[in-house]
Amino acid sequence: DVKVTQSSRYLVKRTGEKVFLECVQDMDHENMFWYRQDPGLGLRLIYFSYDVKMKEKGDIPEGYSVSREKKERFSLILESASTNQTSMYLCASSLLAAKDEQFFGPGTRLTVL
Amino acid sequence: SQKIEQNSEALNIQEGKTATLTCNYTNYSPAYLQWYRQDPGRGPVFLLLIRENEKEKRKERLKVTFDTTLKQSLFHITASQPADSATYLCALAALYNFNKFYFGSGTKLNVKP
Repeated sequence: DVKVTQSSRYLVKRTGEKVFLECVQDMDHENMFWYRQDPGLGLRLIYFSYDVKMKEKGDIPEGYSVSREKKERFSLILESASTNQTSMYLCASSLLAAKDEQFFGPGTRLTVL
Repeated sequence: SQKIEQNSEALNIQEGKTATLTCNYTNYSPAYLQWYRQDPGRGPVFLLLIRENEKEKRKERLKVTFDTTLKQSLFHITASQPADSATYLCALAALYNFNKFYFGSGTKLNVKP
């Protein structure tokens, strides 16, 4: 059974902290994505990666960075967490990007105090 | 600017009826359109993909239509069941960038027994 896992379901951090969100997929997919989901705004793409060490900005990359050192792992980094980054963060992977379904992880609900 | 609109009001229907959800878009030339189901506290799950040159796609009780003239996709669930209650998201990938998906904010469907 295909699987995308995220390191935490719930996370509480303080303003200014550096935050790491980890995502691992076991499907050997080239493409991996990080989204945030907020009420009324839907899912918004933060970053995606189409290969190891390759990344591309999505619609809202400000305040975030990513790392993909291995094919199965895609990390989202909040350099200095702020309260407006309180959100649900969803990781996804797919084989053929838009031509194919995306498999989502369960999400990480991050609260920044 | 680009926009994807889904009805933000919940759709309430009786069990056994057909549910019809709408996804309208502006300033897009989507090559692919996908529909996802999302249950509370979980990541979206892929349902159907339709290409710009396809008018209709079916899968069991699900049907998706794609009208590039009207800039609209309709998602139908026939013989709806209470277990179909969830939020349904549409997602578009543009012709000019297959890697990026843009999601609507979703419509909540409530199927009453």
